[in-house]
Amino acid sequence: QKEVEQDPGPLSVPEGAIVSLNCTYSNSAFQYFMWYRQYSRKGPELLMYTYSSGNKEDGRFTAQVDKSSKYISLFIRDSQPSDSATYLCAMIGGGTSYGKLTFGQGTILTVHP
Amino acid sequence: DGGITQSPKYLFRKEGQNVTLSCEQNLNHDAMYWYRQDPGQGLRLIYYSQIVNDFQKGDIAEGYSVSREKKESFPLTVTSAQKNPTAFYLCASSIGGGRMNEKLFFGSGTQLSVL
Repeated sequence: QKEVEQDPGPLSVPEGAIVSLNCTYSNSAFQYFMWYRQYSRKGPELLMYTYSSGNKEDGRFTAQVDKSSKYISLFIRDSQPSDSATYLCAMIGGGTSYGKLTFGQGTILTVHP
Repeated sequence: DGGITQSPKYLFRKEGQNVTLSCEQNLNHDAMYWYRQDPGQGLRLIYYSQIVNDFQKGDIAEGYSVSREKKESFPLTVTSAQKNPTAFYLCASSIGGGRMNEKLFFGSGTQLSVL
């Protein structure tokens, strides 16, 4: 079983829809949670960064962490064609995991006009 | 502009050949990393370096080698011992200093293919 599970999709939605992307994890030592956005053939860029359970909002993006359920989500409101990309969840925790992020497989999202 | 530069963007390797991927950063970051990305899989850590002249193996280091002679540079060599080298290679850096909550910043990647 992988430490981080992420539905690879692909996910296709119409412009303006609310998108929900999810990851589950098994390692209770994970403490920091990130979402990266990766356009085709480009490097991932950091989108959201959270530590505690709860919600964090940044514009149209909301990151949600539920440590009791080992579940994190990224919500995109009013989705735009420019949001079409692969979204990767990543997490880190535990005393020996300095700088070593554990990534999900990534979800491919397409927002069509 | 500060950032991470990877070159080349595309690279082809012949059987039995070693190839080197370049990674340069001008962010003044102490820590640098190499990840490998395969289709349908998450990123996997190959090597990382927390400081000049020091580096550690990641989860899939076999068939790869690195050096860290300068703070700005962290080249990755894919040796002939790596039997399945075709992948998208990503270099990243972070401020460093031993904090667990490092934010990683990535370069644009190098696509390596076998001829």
